[in-house]
Amino acid sequence: GAGVSQSPSNKVTEKGKDVELRCDPISGHTALYWYRQSLGQGLEFLIYFQGNSAPDKSGLPSDRFSAERTGGSVSTLTIQRTQQEDSAVYLCASSIAGQEGTEAFFGQGTRLTVV
Amino acid sequence: GENVEQHPSTLSVQEGDSAVIKCTYSDSASNYFPWYKQELGKGPQLIIDIRSNVGEKKDQRIAVTLNKTAKHFSLHITETQPEDSAVYFCAASNRNNRLAFGKGNQVVVIP
Repeated sequence: GAGVSQSPSNKVTEKGKDVELRCDPISGHTALYWYRQSLGQGLEFLIYFQGNSAPDKSGLPSDRFSAERTGGSVSTLTIQRTQQEDSAVYLCASSIAGQEGTEAFFGQGTRLTVV
Repeated sequence: GENVEQHPSTLSVQEGDSAVIKCTYSDSASNYFPWYKQELGKGPQLIIDIRSNVGEKKDQRIAVTLNKTAKHFSLHITETQPEDSAVYFCAASNRNNRLAFGKGNQVVVIP
């Protein structure tokens, strides 16, 4: 597709289970972001991938959260032992890396509900 | 790293009036300033952006102004319409292409 694709669009999971959220960025985009958005709240930065550089993981809220990006394309955000406070919309965005800042394109998000 | 602050957090305007949202940033090296609009149930979408080599950019009813000295930039929406009701996010990006977002501003246009 032409845009950033995230799957699943909705996920309901039981507390304590692990979940994986997937992001397919726009082809050729070397920068990829994960954000979390709780109900009515702003964008909380989680992790940033840029080409082959080490990812910036400074926004991950705990060691239950991890993310990887295979082959510089698809990214997976994994949450282990989910808690109710993990319930939120998880947004992925990608952009072309360059000398100057460029537009980031967002996916529709994955709405995660932990029950 | 870059710190972007956005205010007011909520703004209500009468249809037809203007709305202004202001953002401040901390890193003087930031050189790209996009604004995003997020409608309910959707991801944020770019509506306008500005680079550090210009002071103002306009696109129909939307304009963005940048004051590099004061390190702030503003979104101006004129002749507001109900479809302008949404959450608006500002962001700043430096030469490393890392975007830092503000917390967002809920704009409500009252018919």
